[in-house]
Amino acid sequence: QPVLTQPPSSSASPGESARLTCTLPSDINVGSYNIYWYQQKPGSPPRYLLYYYSDSDKGQGSGVPSRFSGSKDASANTGILLISGLQSEDEADYYCMIWPSNANVVFGGGTKLTVL
Amino acid sequence: EVQLVESGGGLVQPGGSLRLSCAASGFTFSSYWMSWVRQAPGKGLEWVANIKQDGSEKYYVDSVKGRFTISRDNAKNSLYLQMNSLRAEDTAVYYCARDFLDVWGKGTTVTVSS
Repeated sequence: QPVLTQPPSSSASPGESARLTCTLPSDINVGSYNIYWYQQKPGSPPRYLLYYYSDSDKGQGSGVPSRFSGSKDASANTGILLISGLQSEDEADYYCMIWPSNANVVFGGGTKLTVL
Repeated sequence: EVQLVESGGGLVQPGGSLRLSCAASGFTFSSYWMSWVRQAPGKGLEWVANIKQDGSEKYYVDSVKGRFTISRDNAKNSLYLQMNSLRAEDTAVYYCARDFLDVWGKGTTVTVSS
């Protein structure tokens, strides 16, 4: 099963932007998959944020602010979650996921985002 | 309101069994894939299993194949996870989630310990 690689931690100051990455193994092309992103705060279930396939095929979760956005870096085979205008409430764990058709769902290991 | 409510967790000895349930409401349950996802204490998310709308396709993470069985009853708007031969490493909060995991329950805790 593929493994999605996320940095264990990241930090940024309020008002800045945070760029969280999710790197796919080399035998899986990021361009072929929706990349899903989830936010989890301590003691709470995960919350669906958004998915990104392309600029013309993407979706935002219900009630998720537009300052959360997705993208891809094909050269790095990576999915990206960009959080602009960081707020203290954005401090959380963030997980990426892919769901290949008729196959197993795979999560990344998660990134703990600290808002300094 | 779209809602998923898990139940059935508890303390069980190694080798024992548990059956988790997930009650769905607020959406057409029979139209969606459904999944179980677990989170061990202090660890990340791990997908466990999912099931197609009509139950004709089921997929499992390797570590639970042959021990866990996912099922659903569309007439009762319910998802199930039968867990047999439980191990200490199955200790986790178990969540049910809809489709591409856009809706999650609050989870039920399973503890496997003697």
